[in-house]
Amino acid sequence: AQSVAQPEDQVNVAEGNPLTVKCTYSVSGNPYLFWYVQYPNRGLQFLLKYITGDNLVKGSYGFEAEFNKSQTSFHLKKPSALVSDSALYFCAVSTHASGGSYIPTFGRGTSLIVHP
Amino acid sequence: EPEVTQTPSHQVTQMGQEVILRCVPISNHLYFYWYRQILGQKVEFLVSFYNNEISEKSEIFDDQFSVERPDGSNFTLKIRSTKLEDSAMYFCASSEQTDTQYFGPGTRLTVL
Repeated sequence: AQSVAQPEDQVNVAEGNPLTVKCTYSVSGNPYLFWYVQYPNRGLQFLLKYITGDNLVKGSYGFEAEFNKSQTSFHLKKPSALVSDSALYFCAVSTHASGGSYIPTFGRGTSLIVHP
Repeated sequence: EPEVTQTPSHQVTQMGQEVILRCVPISNHLYFYWYRQILGQKVEFLVSFYNNEISEKSEIFDDQFSVERPDGSNFTLKIRSTKLEDSAMYFCASSEQTDTQYFGPGTRLTVL
């Protein structure tokens, strides 16, 4: 069974400071890792993914994430936070299911609050 | 940029009633999904759909649930006899290939 842990319910950071949202995972086989963001009253919006290759993945809105196989982590980072980055962030892991789909298992989400 | 759309945005129904939640996936996508998110909890997978049939489903997706692609654009989730615990946000998603899914804004279902 695959699982995702986001150990922080909330992350607070000042605008302009770097931010990190943590994610660790457990999966059999090679993981496919994703970050999604959810703004109020909106659906989940894809940010970035790791499938294979370079451990540092760059995504939308200046976000990046680093795949660390030994620590089974995929932390989301941004060098300089914006107030508009305030949202709910979900990490997800999936593997190739028998029916051909990749079915992600989501973490509980981390609320990012960026203070002006 | 193409988006997944869902209607209605909010559905209120009485326990025991049938509801149909509608989704229009991105037009060139081939894989379709439904998820739910009970307030304050994780996003949970319900079902995936490809080539006009269910490809995966979770334990949550019991006989009360069904999905259909009635035409070339819509993808629906039907709950036959709603229960109080079905109250949740329901998200539709679609993908071109099998990895990256694009989500709609969700339908908030309230069962009274």
